Amino acid sequence: DAKTTQPPSMDCAEGRAANLPCNHSTISGNEYVFWYRQIHSQGPQYIIHGLKNNETNEMASLIITEDRKSSTLILPHATLRDTAVYYCIVRAPNDYKLSFGAGTTVTVRA
Amino acid sequence: NAGVTQTPKFQVLKTGQSMTLQCAQDMNHEYMSWYRQDPGMGLRLIHYSVGAGITDQGEVPNGYNVSRSTTEDFPLRLLSAAPSQTSVYFCASRQTGRYEQYFGPGTRLTVT
Repeated sequence: DAKTTQPPSMDCAEGRAANLPCNHSTISGNEYVFWYRQIHSQGPQYIIHGLKNNETNEMASLIITEDRKSSTLILPHATLRDTAVYYCIVRAPNDYKLSFGAGTTVTVRA
Repeated sequence: NAGVTQTPKFQVLKTGQSMTLQCAQDMNHEYMSWYRQDPGMGLRLIHYSVGAGITDQGEVPNGYNVSRSTTEDFPLRLLSAAPSQTSVYFCASRQTGRYEQYFGPGTRLTVT
């Protein structure tokens, strides 16, 4: 499995965009980038995934660099409810395992 | 849809006891899995199943058994509980051909 590197923590002001970086320099050509988050004491929640192109859904945007060695998750207008641990994961389509690292603890402040 | 449900929410066991953690999903997902999360750490895969009658080991399978007799249910059995199995256990499911996994609310297990 390709490993990912994320900052351990970051703060964000409510209403501002939160940009969460992730390095995955050993990613293979068929591996997707996934983002999940885990709000305190709850099960992880799927946010978004992508292969090469930038992706956007109702929760977030995912920007993947052209060389695919890093990506950024963007929460466009952070709210207090976005306070959580965010996990960046790379996974091949036929890989049944999601390898969760330590993630980034995001704290949104009023 | 109820999604992924897990019972019980909390459980305390004595060393050597056995028990079964229940997981059910009503989304007709073929793929189901069990993870454990120790304090301050990410999730680790215990066992997974790609359909009824098919199971396989994850990265930390020792001390746990699973079976998958129906699409809906995927119970996790602790054979002889040990303090090292104190953790939060999450069940997840996924539709074949799709990438997003849905997680249950977790079972918090303490072994004394």
